[in-house]
Amino acid sequence: DIQMTQSPSSLSASVGDRVTITCRASQGIRNDLGWYQQKPGKAPKRLIYAASSLQSGVPSRFSGSGSGTEFTLTISSLQPDDFATYYCLQHNSYPRTFGQGTKVEIK
Amino acid sequence: EVQLVESGGGLVQPGGSLRLSCAASGFTFSTYWMSWVRQAPGKGLEWVANIKQDGSEKNYVDSLKGRFSISRDNAKNSLYLQMNSLTAEDTAVYYCARSWGFDYWGQGTLVTVSS
Repeated sequence: DIQMTQSPSSLSASVGDRVTITCRASQGIRNDLGWYQQKPGKAPKRLIYAASSLQSGVPSRFSGSGSGTEFTLTISSLQPDDFATYYCLQHNSYPRTFGQGTKVEIK
Repeated sequence: EVQLVESGGGLVQPGGSLRLSCAASGFTFSTYWMSWVRQAPGKGLEWVANIKQDGSEKNYVDSLKGRFSISRDNAKNSLYLQMNSLTAEDTAVYYCARSWGFDYWGQGTLVTVSS
């Protein structure tokens, strides 16, 4: 199985901060990775697909980068609506695996 | 508008069975892979299974093979998850998700396994 190691597990940040979340795959997954935002009691929402493509309707302050084993989600200027938990997901091989999640909290 | 609506969750006793449904609308259901993903209370996301457009290929997480079965009915635009021999560890919100890239998700249905 491909392990997705996501870091940090949580972070505190202020509105306007630049935030970076990383996922590391235990083996190469090309760019078969998505990033998801989940708010309490809600379904996950895809932000980024194919590692770096912005999902339609998602604000441009979200961006993704990486390929192979190292991936990054960046929020360029954190907004109040962005406080949530973020997950990466690899769909390169079976079983599909998620990162452990990063909870972004208000400082 | 793409919509996925799960149903069939509820309280079930250990050892029992449950069948979840996911009703799809707003897109051509028969042209997409579909998946089930679950989330135990306070925990992260876990992929459960997926199924090819015509139902000819199904994949499962190893830990659930033999107990869970995914299926679909393209004529009814519906996805299903048959869950047998349920234990407390299967307590979770179960989501259906569209496509290879999990682009749209339903709101989830809660399954609680308890006596």
